[in-house]
Parts: sequence; C-alpha cells; structure tokens
Amino acid sequence: NAGVTQTPKFRVLKTGQSMTLLCAQDMNHEYMYWYRQDPGMGLRLIHYSVGEGTTAKGEVPDGYNVSRLKKQNFLLGLESAAPSQTSVYFCASSSPLLGSSYEQYFGPGTRLTVT
Amino acid sequence: AQSVAQPEDQVNVAEGNPLTVKCTYSVSGNPYLFWYVQYPNRGLQFLLKYITGDNLVKGSYGFEAEFNKSQTSFHLKKPSALVSDSALYFCAVRDRPSGTYKYIFGTGTRLKVLA
Repeated sequence: NAGVTQTPKFRVLKTGQSMTLLCAQDMNHEYMYWYRQDPGMGLRLIHYSVGEGTTAKGEVPDGYNVSRLKKQNFLLGLESAAPSQTSVYFCASSSPLLGSSYEQYFGPGTRLTVT
Repeated sequence: AQSVAQPEDQVNVAEGNPLTVKCTYSVSGNPYLFWYVQYPNRGLQFLLKYITGDNLVKGSYGFEAEFNKSQTSFHLKKPSALVSDSALYFCAVRDRPSGTYKYIFGTGTRLKVLA
C-alpha cells in the first residue's frame, strides 16, 4: 500500500495564479482532510470530507476550494494564490468505522511558495 | 470549543534521561487523544492513542502516554531518550464518534535530545 500520496511535492506560484493539489489514498478511508502547517501554529484544518461527494469547511477555508469526486481522491484548489497561502500543505485520511483505530494517516506534504 | 495546549515550544533532554512532552485538552465530552511525530520535511506519523481503557497507553518507538481525566492531560513520556527521538511532536484530540469528525492539533513541541 502506498498509503496517502500528495502531488506535487513542491510548487512556486506567482500571486494571482491558480493551482490544484492532489491527494490520493488507497486505504478505502471515508474521511479525508486538508491542513496547512505554519511555524508556531501547528496544523490548521482547511477543509474536510466525510465521504465521496461531500465536503465541509474547516478552521481556515477562505481562498481554498475542494472536491471529492472519487472516494480515494481529495483535491485542494487555490483559485487566486496570495502570499499568505505560502505554507506546507498536508492531506490526511481516517476511517470512522466501529473497531477502526481512528488515527489519521498523513501524506508527505506539499511545500507551496507564493511570490 | 475544543482546544489542545502544548505549553512548551521546545524540550531539551540529555540522551538516556527520561523525557516528558506535555499536552492538555479541553473538550465537551470524552475525547479520543493522539500523539504524532514529525521528522524534518516529512508528514506526521502516528505514535499512540487513547480511546478507552487503561490510562497508560504504549506506542511506537518506546513511547507511552498517560491519560489523566481529572487534569485533562495526556503527557507523552519515554523512559530513556535517544538522539534519534529529536523531532516535532503534536498532540491531537477528537470528539467521540457522535460528535465532530474534526481533529484539533496543538501547536507542537520540538524535542531536542542532546548527546
């Protein structure tokens, strides 16, 4: 199993450009999450999904959109990038099933710089 | 509102000495509690969790954590620190299944083990 994968690993954008980050998981997990990590602020939840076709806002959703068209994929979009979106982005997945272990599995991260 | 506090930005300990990384939480009900470790330029890796049962839980790499309901704490411990334990550690909390599907993370504690 590959677990959780993220593409790309690195990206530099100019202000106003758009991009999509792709997260894929092969563990058949229902729940998927997008976080951003900034120094001294820990992980902050951007958006999450509790199943195919459903998404919900997290703590810091402004400037981001998401889609979950397939159970194994969770896409994070930036329509018009801003320097404040310079961060490391992590995707995670987990299972809600009774008897599962509930912990999240994380991808390796995408380092995004917006100039 | 749910919250997690990691009061120490950094913990320094000599190799071979016991280590403690502190975590306190605030949730409305009974929580699920987690510890994750992050090595440089990597995603978060699961260390251990408390779901129910014995208040002392054991996890990966010789780590353990003690759940203290009265003090709302879930401190991470290891009897003998290794230089290779140096990393960033995150505490996280999640409501029981009937509550939110979201996880709340602390801001992280950097552990430095000195040779």
